[in-house]
Amino acid sequence: DTEVTQTPKHLVMGMTNKKSLKCEQHMGHRAMYWYKQKAKKPPELMFVYSYEKLSINESVPSRFSPECPNSSLLNLHLHALQPEDSALYLCASSQSPSGRVSPLHFGNGTRLTVT
Amino acid sequence: AQKITQTQPGMFVQEKEAVTLDCTYDTSDPSYGLFWYKQPSSGEMIFLIYQGSYDQQNATEGRYSLNFQKARKSANLVISASQLGDSAMYFCAMRVRGAGSYQLTFGKGTKLSVIP
Repeated sequence: DTEVTQTPKHLVMGMTNKKSLKCEQHMGHRAMYWYKQKAKKPPELMFVYSYEKLSINESVPSRFSPECPNSSLLNLHLHALQPEDSALYLCASSQSPSGRVSPLHFGNGTRLTVT
Repeated sequence: AQKITQTQPGMFVQEKEAVTLDCTYDTSDPSYGLFWYKQPSSGEMIFLIYQGSYDQQNATEGRYSLNFQKARKSANLVISASQLGDSAMYFCAMRVRGAGSYQLTFGKGTKLSVIP
């Protein structure tokens, strides 16, 4: 069983909807990540939170808005998405964001379809 | 800049046989980590094995071993005694220390199919 939990597993939303993806980890990790993965492609980094502060935003459109309420939780708020935003969204966490090369642990992902 | 190359888009292996998935990397940073992940069709990215750039011995985790050849900049994954459940996409990835160390650079992946 994965130690990073993502909800929901599947999400279908219209272009005018507002929805949120949720991610939770209880491993005491201090870095959390959002990745986007299109079919048959490797994951692409979207955001990095380090000690609950946004450290990296990989030029992601403002219709994606991340939030880290505490060290265990990570949200991704979605608004006015486009059909091309349909993808698998993966959350990950790691022990430390830098200084020590540690693996990222991923959740099961949320399969998002924008209609 | 860091780069990971996986040259095998797809591989087939007979059940119970061993298989090697190739991975080469490029970085100028002397401190880095190499990772292999498995992604079944369900979507979850499962961490398999890790090799640090200063590790003297090849990493092993159960049926997985990493053939680390630093001079050749290769980090091939060896799966012994393949099982039907090993059918999945496999990604090689690298993370470097220092500036940009948040980044996990992925290869394009290799799709492994285990034949009964």
